[in-house]
Amino acid sequence: EIAMTQSPATLSVSPGERATLSCRASQSVGSNLAWYQQKPGQGPRLLIHGASTRATGIPARFSGSGSGTEFTLTISSLQSEDFAVYYCQQYNNWPPVTFGQGTKVEIK
Amino acid sequence: EVQLVESGGTLVKPGGSLRLSCAASGFTFSSYTMYWVRQAPGKGLEWVSSISSATHYVFYADSVKGRFTITRDNAKNSLYLQMNSLRAEDTAMYYCARGDSLEQLALFHNWGQGTLVTVSS
Repeated sequence: EIAMTQSPATLSVSPGERATLSCRASQSVGSNLAWYQQKPGQGPRLLIHGASTRATGIPARFSGSGSGTEFTLTISSLQSEDFAVYYCQQYNNWPPVTFGQGTKVEIK
Repeated sequence: EVQLVESGGTLVKPGGSLRLSCAASGFTFSSYTMYWVRQAPGKGLEWVSSISSATHYVFYADSVKGRFTITRDNAKNSLYLQMNSLRAEDTAMYYCARGDSLEQLALFHNWGQGTLVTVSS
């Protein structure tokens, strides 16, 4: 089973600033890495797949990078609606599908 | 517009059973692998089970194997999760999710709002 580790657990950022979230896999997942956003009381929303491809309708301020075991999600200029929890997920080697434990992006 | 609406969650006693349903619309249900993912209160996401479009491939997390059964009815655009021998640790919000057009990619393109299962005496 591939373990996914996200850091930091919580990120405090001011609106308009850049946020950088990290995700590490216990073994290579190639580019088979996705990022999801979850707001309170809602189901998650797919943001990024293939490590760097934005899903349909996702704003350009969200970008993903990395391959192998190290990945990054960058939000270039945080908007009020971006404060949420973000999860990474590998789909290179499944079952099982595995998620990171999440990074909460909060208002500073 | 893709819509996934889960139902069936409720309070159940340990050892009890429950059947969750997910009604799908806005896409060709019979062409996609479907998934159940759960989230314990205040915790992260945990994949539970998946079923391919024609039900040829069915997988379960070790934590539910032998207790849960995933099925689908393509004529009714519906996904189900039969949950038996429920434990306190099964308490969670259960989400239905739609997979990718390439069925081997376990990507969750769309999610429902979830249905809450609480296992407690």
